[in-house]
Amino acid sequence: KAGVTQTPRYLIKTRGQQVTLSCSPISGHRSVSWYQQTPGQGLQFLFEYFSETQRNKGNFPGRFSGRQFSNSRSEMNVSTLELGDSALYLCASSLEGAGMEQFFGPGTRLTVL
Amino acid sequence: QQQVKQSPQSLIVQKGGISIINCAYENTAFDYFPWYQQFPGKGPALLIAIRPDVSEKKEGRFTISFNKSAKQFSLHIMDSQPGDSATYFCAADTGNQFYFGTGTSLTVIP
Repeated sequence: KAGVTQTPRYLIKTRGQQVTLSCSPISGHRSVSWYQQTPGQGLQFLFEYFSETQRNKGNFPGRFSGRQFSNSRSEMNVSTLELGDSALYLCASSLEGAGMEQFFGPGTRLTVL
Repeated sequence: QQQVKQSPQSLIVQKGGISIINCAYENTAFDYFPWYQQFPGKGPALLIAIRPDVSEKKEGRFTISFNKSAKQFSLHIMDSQPGDSATYFCAADTGNQFYFGTGTSLTVIP
């Protein structure tokens, strides 16, 4: 079974721009969660989508948004990028969501200049 | 506020030794406690997980010890190997959201 894939793997953007990251979950998994990983804060939960609906949301500003498509693929968008948004963005998929094993993708490394 | 507190931040162990990483929490709603291992350039991978109805779970060289009354759980890596050198994250789940510790960088010296 193919694992979780994320594209692109690396991105360089400048302040004020916006960016869209993509995540393809493991086949059959309906839950996709997004995390921001930084050296100082560790993994911070952004949001979870399940069957095309945002089910849970972390404590991030509204510049961070996401969506999930009917095939469970998910995208995350960050608008008006700030230097502090530089991080590794990870997505994780699971069959039903929290409380079950999550499988992480390799992440997208975003650098904001 | 960090929901799950992890220590130490870094750990150096000789090959064959025991690596111990500790985590503590306050929220009694947590009911699933996984540990993840992350190598550079990779996403975290589930290593072992425990639910609060058991006090210990062992899988190969990896053991989770869980103390419900103290709200603490720990990862023990027996016979540590250089290939175990990675960053380890504990996590706790309410059923709605995972909360991660800040990670422990483990280096196993040959």
